[in-house]
Amino acid sequence: EVQLVESGGGIVQPGGSLRLSCAASGFTFSGFWMHWVRQAPGKGLVWVSRISSDESSTIYADSVKGRFAISRDNAKNTLYLQMNNLRVEDTATYYCARVRGSSTQTGWFWYFDLWGRGTLVTVSS
Amino acid sequence: QLVLTQSPSASASLGASVKLTCTLNSGHTAYAIAWHQQQPGKGPRYLMNLNSDGSHTKGDGVPDRFSGSSSGAERYLTISSLQSEDEGDYYCQTWGTGLMVFGGGTKLTVL
Repeated sequence: EVQLVESGGGIVQPGGSLRLSCAASGFTFSGFWMHWVRQAPGKGLVWVSRISSDESSTIYADSVKGRFAISRDNAKNTLYLQMNNLRVEDTATYYCARVRGSSTQTGWFWYFDLWGRGTLVTVSS
Repeated sequence: QLVLTQSPSASASLGASVKLTCTLNSGHTAYAIAWHQQQPGKGPRYLMNLNSDGSHTKGDGVPDRFSGSSSGAERYLTISSLQSEDEGDYYCQTWGTGLMVFGGGTKLTVL
């Protein structure tokens, strides 16, 4: 079955750290760029970070730059998000997502075509 | 700056049809988008990607009741023969200058 399963969420105090994992199965993980997206309680989806298929390129939202680090282990079919110096506003469900590309009239278009179920991170004292 | 705008809420009766709208801002009106569904308490699910000419490709297992269309800066998701399981949040998503962008989402209530 093609799926993504996140783990590693929990309750942490402000300033603390957590490492999220996303286990991929049913497809060739090493062939896809991967992303993390988060959703605060009752709010919409917000993009967090992206990593290329060979880990050579990463990019982050300004809100997490310098605090979060995305990585992957293609041998283990696993995506990671190391979260340091956590803030109350980082409280959210974190989803990993696979992307595909498509050629369009305005050039190459990337879209999420597979999502995990999410893992909840709560930052609270 | 690339911005997607969605109405916060929509409602329609069981068995009826509903058309959700996602609007691209000026300067980006030819962009493609993707639609995603999020049922209550679940992770998002990819529905389709939608080009500016209205052509679209649906994800695996997405029912024929879901279709997409475009007009100018607007991208539409039409759901026909509404069922109770269609209730939830619907997000449009696009990509520009290396970053993924989401609309604010539309909460669909099936009456």
